[in-house]
Amino acid sequence: DMKVTQMPRYLIKRMGENVLLECGQDMSHETMYWYRQDPGLGLQLIYISYDVDSNSEGDIPKGYRVSRKKREHFSLILDSAKTNQTSVYFCASSGDEEVFFGKGTRLTVV
Amino acid sequence: GEQVEQLPSILRVQEGSSASINCSYEDSASNYFPWYKQEPGENPKLIIDIRSNMERKQIQELIVLLDKKAKRFSLHITDTQPGDSAMYFCAASASNTNKVVFGTGTRLQVSP
Repeated sequence: DMKVTQMPRYLIKRMGENVLLECGQDMSHETMYWYRQDPGLGLQLIYISYDVDSNSEGDIPKGYRVSRKKREHFSLILDSAKTNQTSVYFCASSGDEEVFFGKGTRLTVV
Repeated sequence: GEQVEQLPSILRVQEGSSASINCSYEDSASNYFPWYKQEPGENPKLIIDIRSNMERKQIQELIVLLDKKAKRFSLHITDTQPGDSAMYFCAASASNTNKVVFGTGTRLQVSP
């Protein structure tokens, strides 16, 4: 079963705390992505990873970093979260063509 | 790198009418053009795609058109229903890049 799994699904953090969002895929896809989506808006690419330790900035990387030590796992880290990072975060992976999305993590920074 | 423009950002139609979403891309090497539908509170899911060796593809009420010369592609939903209300994303990718680039999204609202 082709799947992208995100944990946790919901998260509330205080401003200044560190945040770790985790993503896994079972399709051996080389390429993985992290997006954020604000209410009613489109997908903003934060980072893209082409394989283990091969990560590139997307359109809005400021305030975020990523880690990919295994092909099947891709983590998004917020060091010292800010209130404007409240959003829904989607992880995705792709092989040759189709992109598969996780169900998202709804992060609230208070 | 590839950029994908998508218009309109919001589209309101009456039930039973057609809806059209237009996208354009820059990289002539792009050869795969998927469309994703995102329902409220859900993740985006692939609904139809077209490859560069085709000009038209239809799955039920969904029609996609591709004009490679103009670097444009479009999604047409015929006989829209309230269940078609969602966010729609176009995307483009080239087989030599391992990267899919998404458009900015269109919010379709179908009113009864």
